[in-house]
Amino acid sequence: QLQLQESGPGLVWPAETLSLSCSVSGGSISSSSDYWGWIRQPPGKGLEWIATIHYSGTTYYNPSLKSRVTISVDTSKNQFSLKLKSVTAADTAVYYCARRLGSVVPAGAEHFQHWGQGTLVTVSS
Amino acid sequence: SYELTQPPSVSVSPGQTARITCSGDALPKRYVYWYQQKSGQAPILVIYEDSKRPSGIPERISGSSSGTLATLTIGGARVDDEADYFCFSTDSTGNDNVCGGGTKLTVL
Repeated sequence: QLQLQESGPGLVWPAETLSLSCSVSGGSISSSSDYWGWIRQPPGKGLEWIATIHYSGTTYYNPSLKSRVTISVDTSKNQFSLKLKSVTAADTAVYYCARRLGSVVPAGAEHFQHWGQGTLVTVSS
Repeated sequence: SYELTQPPSVSVSPGQTARITCSGDALPKRYVYWYQQKSGQAPILVIYEDSKRPSGIPERISGSSSGTLATLTIGGARVDDEADYFCFSTDSTGNDNVCGGGTKLTVL
């Protein structure tokens, strides 16, 4: 059974870089058909897609965050990671890693079927 | 920026049909996705590409889309269906992935 687990600091200073990792178990991150993503949810608000990656290195970014975000994959560790630089209080959120369900068809959007439990990251001094 | 509009809350009695709407100008040309999120838990994808159900999602949960309005329908609502429901789609260019504000479903 596929399981995803986020890890990383729960508190980040303003203007610093937020770094999170997602460990995948019960499946291979190198599966040619799978794409892996990060999504966040500010307290009491909706979901915001951040980025998606394929093990080959193909990446997709939310245009509104692209200048600050890097998503990467480490096949040897079966995990992928997120870096978000120059954080502010507005970046405080629960961050989820997830596996996308299939492909994004024309006229479609990013969508994820298997999710980690999420990790709360607070940006504060 | 593009927005998807959902009612803040919907309330039904057990056994009734719950309908949650999502409106957006680009919906005639873009697919909608629906997530269920119970308190303190990760979201669950319940509908993708307007009306398809992922494996494990019961048939009493269905989706449809017509014009600028998408609808998530939950037949025979149960107390266990109480959750926040979010719609997700993109703007007309496909570049901006957007989430609705969420609808809290109460079954009582």
